[in-house]
Amino acid sequence: AQKVTQAQTEISVVEKEDVTLDCVYETRDTTYYLFWYKQPPSGELVFLIRRNSFDEQNEISGRYSWNFQKSTSSFNFTITASQVVDSAVYFCALSVNPVGQNRDDKIIFGKGTRLHILP
Amino acid sequence: NAGVTQTPKFRILKIGQSMTLQCTQDMNHNYMYWYRQDPGMGLKLIYYSVGAGITDKGEVPNGYNVSRSTTEDFPLRLELAAPSQTSVYFCASRPTGGGSYNEQFFGPGTRLTVL
Repeated sequence: AQKVTQAQTEISVVEKEDVTLDCVYETRDTTYYLFWYKQPPSGELVFLIRRNSFDEQNEISGRYSWNFQKSTSSFNFTITASQVVDSAVYFCALSVNPVGQNRDDKIIFGKGTRLHILP
Repeated sequence: NAGVTQTPKFRILKIGQSMTLQCTQDMNHNYMYWYRQDPGMGLKLIYYSVGAGITDKGEVPNGYNVSRSTTEDFPLRLELAAPSQTSVYFCASRPTGGGSYNEQFFGPGTRLTVL
């Protein structure tokens, strides 16, 4: 069975601090994809990044960076020099591709981490 | 493209009433999903569909029904509304090509209150 754990329910940091959101996943599949989504206070869900199981390169996009480590089954998300606009709920998700089982192709979400950036 | 659209945005129902939440996507995606998000909680999958005429139960299907007669539309039906169904409902779609590589595209959500 697949599972995504975001152990940090809620985090508060002061603006300009760095913050890391943890994501630990479980799957027996060798091919899988990991995602991060952002849900700002307005409520919509916004796709941030995708990473496949064969690519352990870290990724940086502006103030955002992602660290994927298969050895620890983690896909952590770091915001550098946080800003108030980063306040949101962040979801980590796992998608697997079981061979010949198209009916099971769905994404498993973690419970989310609510991030508060204090001015 | 309008993407994924949901109607209505807000709705208040009385216990026992029924309603249909509409979801339409114009991206020709085969996969579509319904989630509910309770206050302060994560997303729970209600139903999903891998194509027209095919639907499957998710994690919390009780009290809901779906149909998928076209690629574009994936309505969610609540037959006998209960207070436990108070939630925000998100519809999502996903392209088929590339399998699990693809991210989901979410609608703006429907906020439902059952009193």
